[in-house]
Parts: sequence; C-alpha cells; structure tokens
Amino acid sequence: AQSVTQLDSQVPVFEEAPVELRCNYSSSVSVYLFWYVQYPNQGLQLLLKYLSGSTLVKGINGFEAEFNKSQTSFHLRKPSVHISDTAEYFCAVSEANTGRRALTFGSGTRLQVQP
Amino acid sequence: GAGVSQSPSNKVTEKGKDVELRCDPISGHTALYWYRQSLGQGLEFLIYFQGNSAPDKSGLPSDRFSAERTGGSVSTLTIQRTQQEDSAVYLCASSAGQGNNSPLHFGNGTRLTVT
Repeated sequence: AQSVTQLDSQVPVFEEAPVELRCNYSSSVSVYLFWYVQYPNQGLQLLLKYLSGSTLVKGINGFEAEFNKSQTSFHLRKPSVHISDTAEYFCAVSEANTGRRALTFGSGTRLQVQP
Repeated sequence: GAGVSQSPSNKVTEKGKDVELRCDPISGHTALYWYRQSLGQGLEFLIYFQGNSAPDKSGLPSDRFSAERTGGSVSTLTIQRTQQEDSAVYLCASSAGQGNNSPLHFGNGTRLTVT
C-alpha cells in the first residue's frame, strides 16, 4: 500500500515570487510519481511525471519537480508564479512494475497567487 | 479531439434514491477509472476498468456502489439508496496503454448532492 502526504493545504504567495509545494510518499515498492493541477471549475490535468532516469523533471507552465528517493519526496517548484497559477495541486503515486493500476493521491495544496 | 465527458455535471437527489453517473472516455483509451473527491479531501479511488472488465474494485465503499463498462467505452457508476455521506464530486478518468506510467485524463466530474 502507498500513501501520499501534502504537508500544506494552502500556500499563499505573491505574484512573481518562487513557490515550493511539498509532497512526501510512502510505499513498499518502487513508484511512479505525478503532479496534477486542477484549475477552478475544471478537471485535473497532468503537470509532470517521474518514471525513471533524471530525478529533475520539467512540466508544463514552467513547473519542475525533483524526486528524492532517500527522503521519499517529490516537491514541486516554480521560480516565479503568475496569477494564472492559482489552482489546486495534487501529488500522486502509482506502483511501478505491479499489476495495480490505481493512483493514490494526496489531499491537495491550494496555491493562491496574490497580486 | 474530445476529452473525457461526464454527465450530468450536477445531480441533486433525495436520500434513499438511486443515481446513475455516466462517463464517456477518450476514444481508444482502454483503461477507465472512477474517483471520488469529497470537500477538503484528496481523490479517493473507487474502481478501475481495463476494457469491459474491472480487475480492481477495491475502492468501492459499500455494496450500494456498482459500475459497469460496455463496448470498451462508456461507463456508468450506480449508487443505490443514496446517503448524505455520498455527496461528493465523482471523477472519471481514462488512459491509453497498459502500464502504470500512462497519465490519466480526467473529466470535469459530476457533483452529487444528497439531501
């Protein structure tokens, strides 16, 4: 079984400031890691994913995340946020190399970008 | 092309009534998932389909919940004898491919309110 912890339920930040949204996971097997974003009144869409290889992955809209196996973390970062980045962000894991397909999601972090 | 479509977008029902929620996945996507998103909670996995079969139903919360998929396409989630705790946003997602590394494409959800 896996679990995902998003340590901050809300993150207020000013426009053009950097931001980090934290995600830690627990799993007894190897995992794939994902960040999804949900803009107001829209469905979730994939921001980025880590499957293997380089631990630094880049996604859409200038976001990136770094997989840290020793700390079991997959924090999301952006060097300069825009008002349009206001949304809910979900970290998720799935089991690599097993038959179980379900993603396990964290409880989400609401990013509020203020002018 | 068209994304994942869910209907209705909103459903208000009285306690004790049955409801059916529909999902039209992206054409050609063999995998289909149902998740539930309650207020302030993360996404809770309900059931996963590969084609028309459901190899993982482990997330269905009770025997009042059932789902089917026909023609490898449309899926229906049925909740019998609805209870107030069933109120949530029900999300459907589909993905291509067989592995756990395929990203999910989500619909906008059905907001269910049980009064």
